[in-house]
Amino acid sequence: NAGVTQTPKFQVLKTGQSMTLQCAQDMNHEYMSWYRQDPGMGLRLIHYSVGAGITDQGEVPNGYNVSRSTTEDFPLRLLSAAPSQTSVYFCASSYSGQPYNEQFFGPGTRLTVL
Amino acid sequence: AQTVTQSQPEMSVQEAETVTLSCTYDTSESDYYLFWYKQPPSRQMILVIRQEAYKQQNATENRFSVNFQKAAKSFSLKISDSQLGDAAMYFCAYTGRSGAGSYQLTFGKGTKLSVIP
Repeated sequence: NAGVTQTPKFQVLKTGQSMTLQCAQDMNHEYMSWYRQDPGMGLRLIHYSVGAGITDQGEVPNGYNVSRSTTEDFPLRLLSAAPSQTSVYFCASSYSGQPYNEQFFGPGTRLTVL
Repeated sequence: AQTVTQSQPEMSVQEAETVTLSCTYDTSESDYYLFWYKQPPSRQMILVIRQEAYKQQNATENRFSVNFQKAAKSFSLKISDSQLGDAAMYFCAYTGRSGAGSYQLTFGKGTKLSVIP
C-alpha cells in the first residue's frame, strides 16, 4: 500500500493563479480531509468528505473547493490564490465515515503564493 | 465549538528521562475521542495514542501513556525513557463521537519537544 499520497510536494504560485492539490489513498477509506498548517496555529480543517459524492466544510473553507467523485481521490482546488493561502497542506484519510479512527496523513504540500 | 489548548509551546527533556505534555479541551459533549499526534522534522503526522472518553482506564502505548481527567477536561501525554527519536512537534486533538462534531478533528497549536543527549 502506498497509503496517502499528495502531489506536488512543493508549489509556488502567483496571486490570482489557480491550481489543484492532488490527494489519493489506496486503503479504501471512506473519510478524507484536508488541513492547512500555519506556524503557531496547529492544523485547521478546510474540507472533509465522508464518502464519494459527499463533502462538507471545515473550520477554514473560504477560497477552497473540493469534490469527491471516487473513494480514492480527494482533490483540493484553489480558484484564485492569495498570499494568505501560503501554508503547508495535509490530506488525511481514515476508515469509516468519521475521523475517530486513526487518521493517516499524506506527506504534505508546501504552497507559497507570491 | 470545541477548543483544544496546549499551553506549552516548547519543552525539553534529557534522554532517558520522563516528560509530560499538557492539553486541555473544552466541550459540552459527554462522549468523544482524544488523540496525541507526533510530527517529526520529516513533517509526517503519526498517531501516538488515542483515548475514548467513556473509558475510565488511561490509554498506554509502550513508553507513551496519558493522564485523562474527564471532569477537569485534561489530557496530558507522558513519555517515559525519552529517546532522541521522540524529538518532534506533538499535537493534541479532539473529535466528538456523534453529531456534526464527530466529523471534524480539532487540533491544538502543538508543543515542540526537544530531547537533550
